[in-house]
Amino acid sequence: KQEVTQIPAALSVPEGENLVLNCSFTDSAIYNLQWFRQDPGKGLTSLLLIQSSQREQTSGRLNASLDKSSGRSTLYIAASQPGDSATYLCAVSLFNNAGNMLTFGGGTRLMVKP
Amino acid sequence: GAGVSQSPSNKVTEKGKDVELRCDPISGHTALYWYRQRLGQGLEFLIYFQGNSAPDKSGLPSDRFSAERTGESVSTLTIQRTQQEDSAVYLCASSLEGYYNEQFFGPGTRLTVL
Repeated sequence: KQEVTQIPAALSVPEGENLVLNCSFTDSAIYNLQWFRQDPGKGLTSLLLIQSSQREQTSGRLNASLDKSSGRSTLYIAASQPGDSATYLCAVSLFNNAGNMLTFGGGTRLMVKP
Repeated sequence: GAGVSQSPSNKVTEKGKDVELRCDPISGHTALYWYRQRLGQGLEFLIYFQGNSAPDKSGLPSDRFSAERTGESVSTLTIQRTQQEDSAVYLCASSLEGYYNEQFFGPGTRLTVL
């Protein structure tokens, strides 16, 4: 059974810092890995999707990397801002599933202080 | 274009009543997923629809849960004889066909069973 773990569970940083969120998964037979943010009381916003054949994806101040063989992904946020405060979730989809269902990590709750 | 929409945004019901939750996917998205997020827990997969294929119901927690989808459009998730442990945010997502495609989530329905 695929298990997805995110470390740390919570993180508080001053504005302007660069930071790294970690995600690990136990089964490397994945189609893709997706990073989301979730604001309190809201749905999920997709940030980046990395296909299994890719090593990284970038969008603005965000960079996500994938090392499928070691079962790890990192989300790098450059020059953090208070508006980045949210819960960040990583999720993987597996070859063995009938569909493209996602298995989620528990999330990292980020607070960026002004 | 329009994103995934869900209704109602909030639903409060009494234990034992039936509830119906609705999801409108992004136009053209043949794949549709339902997930559940209970307070303090991660997202759990419930059910997956792909085109006219039989749905993958492997995540449904009990036979009180069922879902339907009309062609490649609206889906409804029905919970019969609701229990307090059914209280959660129910999230719907859609994607293009294929295992490498990004899933886009709706804002969710917050269900509270009293």
